[in-house]
Amino acid sequence: AQSVAQPEDQVNVAEGNPLTVKCTYSVSGNPYLFWYVQYPNRGLQFLLKYITGDNLVKGSYGFEAEFNKSQTSFHLKKPSALVSDSALYFCAVRAGGSYIPTFGRGTSLIVHP
Amino acid sequence: EAEVAQSPRYKITEKSQAVAFWCDPISGHATLYWYRQILGQGPELLVQFQDESVVDDSQLPKDRFSAERLKGVDSTLKIQPAELGDSAMYLCASSHLQGSIEAFFGQGTRLTVV
Repeated sequence: AQSVAQPEDQVNVAEGNPLTVKCTYSVSGNPYLFWYVQYPNRGLQFLLKYITGDNLVKGSYGFEAEFNKSQTSFHLKKPSALVSDSALYFCAVRAGGSYIPTFGRGTSLIVHP
Repeated sequence: EAEVAQSPRYKITEKSQAVAFWCDPISGHATLYWYRQILGQGPELLVQFQDESVVDDSQLPKDRFSAERLKGVDSTLKIQPAELGDSAMYLCASSHLQGSIEAFFGQGTRLTVV
């Protein structure tokens, strides 16, 4: 079985400050990890993925994520938050032998001006 | 830029009525997914198609839900009869190959059952 935990329902950060949205996972074998963003009443937009290789993955809109195998984590980060980054963020995982990703419950990011 | 198209965007229906959602994946994408997203939760897979064949429908409530992708292109998800607990966002996604890493999502259909 595979699962994802996003321990924070909401993250608040001031504009210009760095942000981190946490994600931990459980999967058998090598994980494929993803971050998606969802704006109100919209579908999910792909941000970035980790398959293999460099543990630091860079994605869209200045976001990056760090894969930590020992801590089974894949935290999303951005050096300087923008108000327009305010949205719901979903972490997802699938095992290398599975075609079906499992999503976390989501974290609401609120960036204050 | 190619997109996954879904219609309608919003649907209000009375309980016990039938409702259907339509999805047109990105051209050439063989894999199609239907997800249900309840408010405040992450998407949950209902059914996955590879071309016209169902790959996984283990989470689809088959007593009331049905899905088809007859020609391996667009797809329809139906609920009959709808229940109050079916109120959710229904998301369609597609990917090029079954083993493709990321899926591309449509804007979803927001269903409200009253």
